[in-house]
Amino acid sequence: GAVVSQHPSWVICKSGTSVKIECRSLDFQATTMFWYRQFPKQSLMLMATSNEGSKATYEQGVEKDKFLINHASLTLSTLTVTSAHPEDSSFYICSARLDSFNGYTFGSGTRLTVV
Amino acid sequence: GNSVTQMEGPVTLSEEAFLTINCTYTATGYPSLFWYVQYPGEGLQLLLKATKADDKGSNKGFEATYRKETTSFHLEKGSVQVSDSAVYFCALSDQGGANNLFFGTGTRLTVIP
Repeated sequence: GAVVSQHPSWVICKSGTSVKIECRSLDFQATTMFWYRQFPKQSLMLMATSNEGSKATYEQGVEKDKFLINHASLTLSTLTVTSAHPEDSSFYICSARLDSFNGYTFGSGTRLTVV
Repeated sequence: GNSVTQMEGPVTLSEEAFLTINCTYTATGYPSLFWYVQYPGEGLQLLLKATKADDKGSNKGFEATYRKETTSFHLEKGSVQVSDSAVYFCALSDQGGANNLFFGTGTRLTVIP
């Protein structure tokens, strides 16, 4: 079946640095990828939707200059958390979808801790 | 708007016990409802789904029935196994599943031998 690889699975970084998270669809071409964030004891919240070759669509309240999303190919999307702060510490998870008729395939998530 | 309220965990059960994880939803239209499961170290996987009222989704011994009158989609399993230990997410998607997913908070289930 469809597989999405997300890397790294966990990362610790210093406040003020940037962190890049990769999301790859291994055996299918994903026209759309989604990035979610989950704070402790809260729901998985959609941050942004990215379509290959175009700018990402961000949900209300998500800073596009802070969370840079690049979907340069049909198999790779990256999320870069710029100038990370402790309040950005969260669980980030991506998902990919071939088209609107197919289901979502999720990565295993990335636990980000900013110290 | 769309939202999902899910029973908070963690839930710890003995093997062969009965499992219920409650899930209720708020939606503006006629959503599709899902249960996803995340095993340790893996991505979320679709466990089961239901696309209209009174539909019952089932898979691996798990069941959930789409109850429009109570806006619920509770997950049940008659006899859990240690291998069912995971985090379970209830979710909805409006417009027939073509749109984005709205998730609950997830419920961690631990089954002990």
